[in-house]
Amino acid sequence: GAVVSQHPSRVICKSGTSVKIECRSLDFQATTMFWYRQFPKQSLMLMATSNEGSKATYEQGVEKDKFLINHASLTLSTLTVTSAHPEDSSFYICSAPIRYAGVLQDTQYFGPGTRLTVL
Amino acid sequence: KQEVTQIPAALSVPEGENLVLNCSFTDSAIYNLQWFRQDPGKGLTSLLLIQSSQREQTSGRLNASLDKSSGRSTLYIAASQPGDSATYLCAGKAAGNKLTFGGGTRVLVKP
Repeated sequence: GAVVSQHPSRVICKSGTSVKIECRSLDFQATTMFWYRQFPKQSLMLMATSNEGSKATYEQGVEKDKFLINHASLTLSTLTVTSAHPEDSSFYICSAPIRYAGVLQDTQYFGPGTRLTVL
Repeated sequence: KQEVTQIPAALSVPEGENLVLNCSFTDSAIYNLQWFRQDPGKGLTSLLLIQSSQREQTSGRLNASLDKSSGRSTLYIAASQPGDSATYLCAGKAAGNKLTFGGGTRVLVKP
């Protein structure tokens, strides 16, 4: 099956610093990727839709200036948490569907997640 | 706005028992309903996907049903094993390929 990787798997940073998380599709091209956030013992909440070559679409309540998304290539999307604070500590997961014959397929492939801890 | 609810939030059963996990959604205009497994600190693994036109899907010991009219889906896991211990999430797909997830059911299968 298709593989999606994330890097780093775990990051600890000081309050006020910025952290970049990478999401890569390893064996397929992903024109669209999704970024989710998951707090402990809670479900996944969609943050934004990342589109290759264009601006990301953010869900209501998600600050686009705080969570910068760049999808510069067909296999890489990055999420940068700017000026991170302790309340940004969470598990960030990306996913990508395969596009076949120009149509996004139903199955989404999820990355293994990145655990962010802001001290 | 779609809301997805999973009951129970946690479930503990002895090995060999059948598991029944419930998922309900408020907007019946979903394209499909998916069930995922998540191990602690890990990403998601897709288990079953039911299209809106289907009633159920089966894979091995897993069977998932979908009733759009009542806004419910049920995941059955037959003859549970300790390796089935994980969190199970359901998600409804809406327009734009967006998934709305339920809160998950944490399952513990005791040997």
